[in-house]
Amino acid sequence: AQSVTQPDIHITVSEGASLELRCNYSYGATPYLFWYVQSPGQGLQLLLKYFSGDTLVQGIKGFEAEFKRSQSSFNLRKPSVHWSDAAEYFCAVGASGGFKTIFGAGTRLFVKA
Amino acid sequence: DARVTQTPRDKVTEMGQEVTMRCQPILGHNTVFWYRQTMMQGLELLAYFRNRAPLDDSGMPKDRFSAEMPDATLATLKIQPSEPRDSAVYFCARKVPPVRTGELFFGEGSRLTVL
Repeated sequence: AQSVTQPDIHITVSEGASLELRCNYSYGATPYLFWYVQSPGQGLQLLLKYFSGDTLVQGIKGFEAEFKRSQSSFNLRKPSVHWSDAAEYFCAVGASGGFKTIFGAGTRLFVKA
Repeated sequence: DARVTQTPRDKVTEMGQEVTMRCQPILGHNTVFWYRQTMMQGLELLAYFRNRAPLDDSGMPKDRFSAEMPDATLATLKIQPSEPRDSAVYFCARKVPPVRTGELFFGEGSRLTVL
């Protein structure tokens, strides 16, 4: 069955510190992978996506993610976190020919001064 | 990307009342998704439509929920009668081409509180 796992329910990092949010997926074919961010009271906004090619993808707001097929992972990273990055982050995989998009449970990021 | 507008943004109602949430405009491939988000369940897919026809509404409680696309640019989600357990944020989303990838563009949501 297709699934997306985000092992960390919440993470707290200090402002200026580096960040890595974990995502593992289960999907038989080549996955289309996404990271979305949700700020309080807002909808989900696309941060970045991987379809093919270079396994390191760059997104908005200084985020990047690396696709590792051997580990079925698509971890999100940022070298230096800003207080405005505090939000909930969702990993997702496009499945069933695009008819379904499967989301992880989300990781809430807290940023401390 | 064209904005996806959801109305109302906030709705407080009493148990038993009918609630209708709207989502517009719908552009491109006319594929619309309805999601529900709660603290306990996270993001749940309720239904999705393509070209105004439901492709899958298995995630939606059929006895009280109904989803339609009255025209090509409007999608509605109706709850009748509403119950406190329906309190959630409801999101509409549309496909971003190429549609095979599953990339979605979300509206800002309708927060529903049923007392």
